[in-house]
Amino acid sequence: NAGVTQTPKFRVLKTGQSMTLLCAQDMNHEYMYWYRQDPGMGLRLIHYSVGEGTTAKGEVPDGYNVSRLKKQNFLLGLESAAPSQTSVYFCASSPDPGFFTDTQYFGPGTRLTVL
Amino acid sequence: GQQLNQSPQSMFIQEGEDVSMNCTSSSIFNTWLWYKQDPGEGPVLLIALYKAGELTSNGRLTAQFGITRKDSFLNISASIPSDVGIYFCAGREGGDNYGQNFVFGPGTRLSVLP
Repeated sequence: NAGVTQTPKFRVLKTGQSMTLLCAQDMNHEYMYWYRQDPGMGLRLIHYSVGEGTTAKGEVPDGYNVSRLKKQNFLLGLESAAPSQTSVYFCASSPDPGFFTDTQYFGPGTRLTVL
Repeated sequence: GQQLNQSPQSMFIQEGEDVSMNCTSSSIFNTWLWYKQDPGEGPVLLIALYKAGELTSNGRLTAQFGITRKDSFLNISASIPSDVGIYFCAGREGGDNYGQNFVFGPGTRLSVLP
């Protein structure tokens, strides 16, 4: 099993450009998440999904959109990138939060710089 | 959103020493997770805790789910250079405020001196 994978690993954008980050998981997990990590801020939830075809806003959703068309994939879109979106983006997945199975697994991250 | 409190923020220890760090919350949690993040990598799950008072080990790592359900502790025994990294706690709220998502602590940065 590859676990959680993210594409691309690095990206540099100019202000106003758009891009899509892809997350894929092969663990048949229902829940998927997008976080951003900034120095001194810890992990902040952008959007999440509790199943195929569903999405919901997290703590910092502005400027981002997401889609979960297939259970194994969760896409994060930036329609018009801004320098404030320079960050490291992590995708994560988890099974249903049942007793003794409540965990969350992370991908390796995408480092995005917006100039 | 709520964030957990972690202490210490950073620590420098000698190789071979034991390490203790903790994580606290203002609300009751059903699940506690401990992660380690190496530079340039994603967080890797170390230990998961599901029951108040539970003590779980993973090699030289031991973590405990606090009796009050508002805190958790991580201990590393006989530290080695590869223990260097940032340790994050994460938890899911329980009780009447069952949380949809995990909340994370800001991390404890561990440095091991040879």
